[in-house]
Amino acid sequence: KAGVTQTPRYLIKTRGQQVTLSCSPISGHRSVSWYQQTPGQGLQFLFEYFSETQRNKGNFPGRFSGRQFSNSRSEMNVSTLELGDSALYLCASSTDRGPLNYGYTFGSGTRLTVV
Amino acid sequence: AQKVTQAQTEISVVEKEDVTLDCVYETRDTTYYLFWYKQPPSGELVFLIRRNSFDEQNEISGRYSWNFQKSTSSFNFTITASQVVDSAVYFCALRRATNKLIFGTGTLLAVQP
Repeated sequence: KAGVTQTPRYLIKTRGQQVTLSCSPISGHRSVSWYQQTPGQGLQFLFEYFSETQRNKGNFPGRFSGRQFSNSRSEMNVSTLELGDSALYLCASSTDRGPLNYGYTFGSGTRLTVV
Repeated sequence: AQKVTQAQTEISVVEKEDVTLDCVYETRDTTYYLFWYKQPPSGELVFLIRRNSFDEQNEISGRYSWNFQKSTSSFNFTITASQVVDSAVYFCALRRATNKLIFGTGTLLAVQP
C-alpha cells in the first residue's frame, strides 16, 4: 500500500513569504502529525490533527498553522518566514487506536530553505 | 518532565562488528511507549520497534535486538554483525498518552566496509 506522501520534496522561499506543505497519510489513517527537524533543535513536534481537528500542539509560534481535510490529507502553513524556519518538515500518520497504536509512519519530508 | 537522552552522538564501527545504541528516558507516567527509528540520508524516518511500558520482554529480530529495562529507564538497541547499509541516524523516542513523540538527539552510526 502507498506510504505517506509529502509534497513538495524541496522548497526555497524568501524571508517574509509564506509556504504551504502537504501531507497525504496512508489510506485509513486518521491521525496526522507534523514535526520540524533542524540541526540545532533536533526533531520537534509541531501539531497533530485527527478527524479535521487539531488535537495536540507543540511550542511553536502562531506563524505555524495547519489543517486537515475530510480525506485526512493535511497541510501546514508557515507565514512570514524567517531564516530559522529552514528545516526538514516531516509528516507522520497513524491509525490512532489509543494504547494499541502500532506506531507512526513517516513521509520523506519537505526540505524548506529560507533565504 | 519528559525527556529522551541519547548520549552517543556518533559511533563508527567496522562491518560485522556488533554495536549497541543507548537510550535513557525520563517520564513520570506509568503508561508510555518507546520507539526506535532509523533515518537514512534520504530523510525518511523508518520505524524499527515499539515497546509498551508494561511489556519488558526483550526481543530479537534478525540482526536487531532490544533491551528494555524500566528499573534503569533504558531502552537500548543492538545491531549484530553490522552492515554498511545500517549506516544512518538512529532516534529513540518516547510517547505518552497523547499522540506526540519526544525524540532524542539521535546517534549517527557509520559502518565502515
